[in-house]
Amino acid sequence: AQSVTQPDIHITVSEGASLELRCNYSYGATPYLFWYVQSPGQGLQLLLKYFSGDTLVQGIKGFEAEFKRSQSSFNLRKPSVHWSDAAEYFCAVGGGDYKLSFGAGTTVTVRA
Amino acid sequence: DTAVSQTPKYLVTQMGNDKSIKCEQNLGHDTMYWYKQDSKKFLKIMFSYNNKELIINETVPNRFSPKSPDKAHLNLHINSLELGDSAVYFCASSRGGSDYGYTFGSGTRLTVV
Repeated sequence: AQSVTQPDIHITVSEGASLELRCNYSYGATPYLFWYVQSPGQGLQLLLKYFSGDTLVQGIKGFEAEFKRSQSSFNLRKPSVHWSDAAEYFCAVGGGDYKLSFGAGTTVTVRA
Repeated sequence: DTAVSQTPKYLVTQMGNDKSIKCEQNLGHDTMYWYKQDSKKFLKIMFSYNNKELIINETVPNRFSPKSPDKAHLNLHINSLELGDSAVYFCASSRGGSDYGYTFGSGTRLTVV
């Protein structure tokens, strides 16, 4: 069965500082990996996805993520955080079938 | 144009009532989903339809019944609502399987009182 662990429940970061959100997955074959962002009261928006190829993936809003097979990780990074990045972030894993499994989410707070 | 639209956005109802949530997508996707997000923000899949055929039916009470009249619409009907049904329900769609990711609607916040 596929699963995702996001070890950090809540992260606080200063505006302009860098951000890294951790994601570990469990899947028997090559996974399809995703990061979504959910702003308060909104639906989930896809930030980026990894299928194969280059293990460093660029997404929207200045985010990037790196797939490390040896560590079963897909961590999300942003070099300089803006106040508008305050949101809930979800990592998800799929196997090419119809089901995405989501992690429990990481809440990001940005302080001025 | 909203890609995946859900109605209503908010729903407050009494225990024991029956209610429906509607979802429509204009992306031409073949697959639609219902997810439930609980108070701790955890997202759990409930149902999925591919071209009007039910393909995922997780462990969900029989009081929940999805219906897909065509591949652009997926509705969720809930009978005999209980307090524990209070949550945010998200509709999503995808092109084929999950490999392209989902496009989500903005959610329906259901509150049962």
